[in-house]
Amino acid sequence: AQSVSQHNHHVILSEAASLELGCNYSYGGTVNLFWYVQYPGQHLQLLLKYFSGDPLVKGIKGFEAEFIKSKFSFNLRKPSVQWSDTAEYFCAVNAEDTGRRALTFGSGTRLQVQP
Amino acid sequence: DGGITQSPKYLFRKEGQNVTLSCEQNLNHDAMYWYRQDPGQGLRLIYYSQIVNDFQKGDIAEGYSVSREKKESFPLTVTSAQKNPTAFYLCASSIDGQGRNGYTFGSGTRLTVV
Repeated sequence: AQSVSQHNHHVILSEAASLELGCNYSYGGTVNLFWYVQYPGQHLQLLLKYFSGDPLVKGIKGFEAEFIKSKFSFNLRKPSVQWSDTAEYFCAVNAEDTGRRALTFGSGTRLQVQP
Repeated sequence: DGGITQSPKYLFRKEGQNVTLSCEQNLNHDAMYWYRQDPGQGLRLIYYSQIVNDFQKGDIAEGYSVSREKKESFPLTVTSAQKNPTAFYLCASSIDGQGRNGYTFGSGTRLTVV
């Protein structure tokens, strides 16, 4: 069965620091990859997604992620974080060519940005 | 505005009781999903439905049941067989079964067993 690992459970950064959140998945076939964000008191919302093509994808609010197939990774990056980026971030994968038609989520990374 | 409505926002249940969580969407999405969110465990899939009158078990379906009689509605029943039901429950939908455009999530229901 597919699984998603997010190794950083809680990250604390100062404003303007660079961010990289790790995400690894276990499925060896074709995958669709997503990052979702949950701001305090708000709905989960989509940050960015990858299906095919350029492995470097750009999302909202200056976030980007790079798909590295050989490493089964889809790490999220932002060059300079802001206090408003304080939220919980979830990586998710949908493995194609399986009977499962739903996303598998990682355990989440809580990001705290200090002013 | 189109979206997903989950109700109630907070729900208290006595042990041994069944309780039903409501999820309604007016997005005309085909697929709907139920996830359970626990601290440090992310979102775990309970059930999902690709079309009306069809649904599949997710990773933690034991102690839960669902129905999909209408396209816009996907209620979740937490039965007395669910050993640890206290959690935050999220409903989501996607335009199609592949979910390539991403999911739209509701605001969640926090269930507490008292």
